[in-house]
Amino acid sequence: NAGVTQTPKFRVLKTGQSMTLLCAQDMNHEYMYWYRQDPGMGLRLIHYSVGEGTTAKGEVPDGYNVSRLKKQNFLLGLESAAPSQTSVYFCASSYPTGVPHGYTFGSGTRLTVV
Amino acid sequence: AQKITQTQPGMFVQEKEAVTLDCTYDTSDPSYGLFWYKQPSSGEMIFLIYQGSYDQQNATEGRYSLNFQKARKSANLVISASQLGDSAMYFCAMGNSWGKLQFGAGTQVVVTP
Repeated sequence: NAGVTQTPKFRVLKTGQSMTLLCAQDMNHEYMYWYRQDPGMGLRLIHYSVGEGTTAKGEVPDGYNVSRLKKQNFLLGLESAAPSQTSVYFCASSYPTGVPHGYTFGSGTRLTVV
Repeated sequence: AQKITQTQPGMFVQEKEAVTLDCTYDTSDPSYGLFWYKQPSSGEMIFLIYQGSYDQQNATEGRYSLNFQKARKSANLVISASQLGDSAMYFCAMGNSWGKLQFGAGTQVVVTP
């Protein structure tokens, strides 16, 4: 009954370091998403995937890469972290029945880049 | 392009009163869905209510109802009989037929005794 699991929950990076955030879902959802949340701006879509092996850019993709090698996993990579990437990152998944009715969110990853 | 607008950055409401949170949207897609999420201080995103663009009746879920006015492109959330536990950030969001979910900036609600 896990739903969407994000790891890690917290991380502090130095400028220029790289890291990968992992999102795993056990609901057999086709669609997966990565969002970032900054104060006063709501959630903004970074990248998303409509199925295994596919990825697409969202509103704010610069500085991030993603991969969806397995249906249940969606990875978000930061190749060279910058302080502007300090944010809370949320992963979500949904099932594609026309306009998806249900999006399930992970609990978030709080990333600080110093 | 889609756009979601929440014009109320913050609101105070007294316990047991009703509160309406405003949301307007813009899209050229004929098929879309409107969502409201609650984010308490603990940070998780909690789904509250959904309205499809072709739904004839306004959605209701317990104390939550969505006042959907398609011609005006508005999807306001009404919380009846506010409780202290309703204090949170509330986000309006719109999903399109490609599956992308776009959020408004949110409204912070504080319920006072």
